[in-house]
Amino acid sequence: DGGITQSPKYLFRKEGQNVTLSCEQNLNHDAMYWYRQDPGQGLRLIYYSQIVNDFQKGDIAEGYSVSREKKESFPLTVTSAQKNPTAFYLCASSFRGRTGELFFGEGSRLTVL
Amino acid sequence: GIQVEQSPPDLILQEGANSTLRCNFSDSVNNLQWFHQNPWGQLINLFYIPSGTKQNGRLSATTVATERYSLLYISSSQTTDSGVYFCAVGKSISNFGNEKLTFGTGTRLTIIP
Repeated sequence: DGGITQSPKYLFRKEGQNVTLSCEQNLNHDAMYWYRQDPGQGLRLIYYSQIVNDFQKGDIAEGYSVSREKKESFPLTVTSAQKNPTAFYLCASSFRGRTGELFFGEGSRLTVL
Repeated sequence: GIQVEQSPPDLILQEGANSTLRCNFSDSVNNLQWFHQNPWGQLINLFYIPSGTKQNGRLSATTVATERYSLLYISSSQTTDSGVYFCAVGKSISNFGNEKLTFGTGTRLTIIP
């Protein structure tokens, strides 16, 4: 079935460690996105990529890094520079253009101890 | 940036009831989407509706772009409708669109059997 797969679903890390969250899609979408969700809040954009080997900062990119080496994959690294990394992370994808409905993965919940 | 306000913040209904969720936004938009976040965290795209009316089963949505609001109607509510409903709006000036989406803080709907 076509969709977006995020892993791991739950992750616990000690403060100061970098962690990488995986996002893979088989929807043949050009654009991919990473969002952060905090309790009771809407989603905030971390990074996005419209094509392979290109990505742009979103509204809250500090302390995060990404890569886009393949169309299907858009991993997110939460670095030790991110001051408050505990959150729910959501990956999404869409076709390019204004009419692109956004589709989400199931999310990864990161807890930093 | 565009401000998005959703109301009510919380809604508790008996199974079988109808509901109307509202999304107000502060500027003209050319991208508006409604999402349902289930209790496990996944967001499902319900509608892409920058203007006009759409229906999908028991759900329908109407966007009045000139008056800067959108409504999501849920008829004959079921317990599986519980969750948080998000409205996301955007104004793209390029061929790309979803990176400009701003999410509201959502309406939490609880359907009681």
